[in-house]
Parts: sequence; structure tokens; C-alpha cells
Amino acid sequence: RKEVEQDPGPFNVPEGATVAFNCTYSNSASQSFFWYRQDCRKEPKLLMSVYSSGNEDGRFTAQLNRASQYISLLIRDSKLSDSATYLCVVRTGSARQLTFGSGTQLTVLP
Amino acid sequence: GAGVSQSPSNKVTEKGKDVELRCDPISGHTALYWYRQSLGQGLEFLIYFQGNSAPDKSGLPSDRFSAERTGGSVSTLTIQRTQQEDSAVYLCASSSGMNTEAFFGQGTRLTVV
Repeated sequence: RKEVEQDPGPFNVPEGATVAFNCTYSNSASQSFFWYRQDCRKEPKLLMSVYSSGNEDGRFTAQLNRASQYISLLIRDSKLSDSATYLCVVRTGSARQLTFGSGTQLTVLP
Repeated sequence: GAGVSQSPSNKVTEKGKDVELRCDPISGHTALYWYRQSLGQGLEFLIYFQGNSAPDKSGLPSDRFSAERTGGSVSTLTIQRTQQEDSAVYLCASSSGMNTEAFFGQGTRLTVV
């Protein structure tokens, strides 16, 4: 089983739609959680950290469920510019390395 | 500079040659990571440096790969006797602490011909 698993998609949604991505992680000792976005042939860029109580940044909402070892990202009112691959990232263990999911591809259609 | 800087941005090398990839992290960041990403694939962890601690080398795919971080700042990833399967984008990231987010450089696109 992969340490961090995501639905690869692709998700094709119309502009203005709400879309949700899920991610599960295998190590219950995981410490920190993030969502990154990666545009084609570009480096990953931090979208938002994920806090235990859930957090929101504009149209983006992230939630963490430690009991189920599950992270989610909700995007409301999708824009064309939201088209990208969304990466779930988990920091685990004493080594503190960051483990990336394989990403979920989103295309927002006009 | 303001961000993580990697050089070269592109490197084409012949099979069997050695290459060195450089990463200059954000000033003051104690943690530095190397990943690689093959075309259409996810990020593969290679190595992690944190302050003066021994690096986590658990992701290095073979003994042809090595990395150093001198003076707690600049890092060099060396690949000896390159093979075609080493072709990928090599990404470096840094973070200010053990539990904070990481920021990536633009990567080095390595092509082994």
C-alpha cells in the first residue's frame, strides 16, 4: 500500500462547479499535511497547509480526519486557472521527509 | 535570492558521464530535500538534509547517486555513470523547520542520451 494515495482523476468540471479531492495516508504517526498544486512542466507550489480543525483560504477548504487518516480539498466556484494537478503531501515520522501522493488532475472547462 | 535556485535548468549528458546538480535553498532554511519526477509521474523522494543531522538517504535509488550539503546551505546532487533511466526533472526544496511547508526550485531537467 502506498503511504499517500490519491484518486488520479482526471476530473473534468465546468467553470463554477464545486469539486472535492480526497487523500488517504497510511502512517498514523503523520505530523503535518499540505496540499500543493503543480502546473504542467512546472514545480509544485504550496496551495495550503491542512490543520486539524480544518481551514479555508478563499474558495479552497481543507479538512483533516485523523481517525480515518484522510485529507480532503474542496474547491468552490472553479476557475479555468484552477486547472492543474493537486498533490497531497504528508510529513511522517522522525525523519520528517515529505511524502507526496501521485496527484489528482483537474481540468476546468469553459 | 528570494526563492530556491537550481542550476542548471537543463542538462543533456551522454550515458556513462557524471553530472552535478546544484541547489541554493532559501536563506535561513535548515531543511533541504531532493526529489525527482519522471515524465507523467509523481515525485520520488531522494534525500533529506536537516541542519547538522545525518541526512536521510533512504530514497537514493543506487550507489551512483550521492548528495552533499556544505555549510548547511548549498547542496549538490551527483549522479555517476548516468543511465537513460536517470532522465527526469530533479527538484530541490527547502523549509524553515521540521514541520513547516517546503518551497521548490524550478528544477533541473536531465536528459541522458
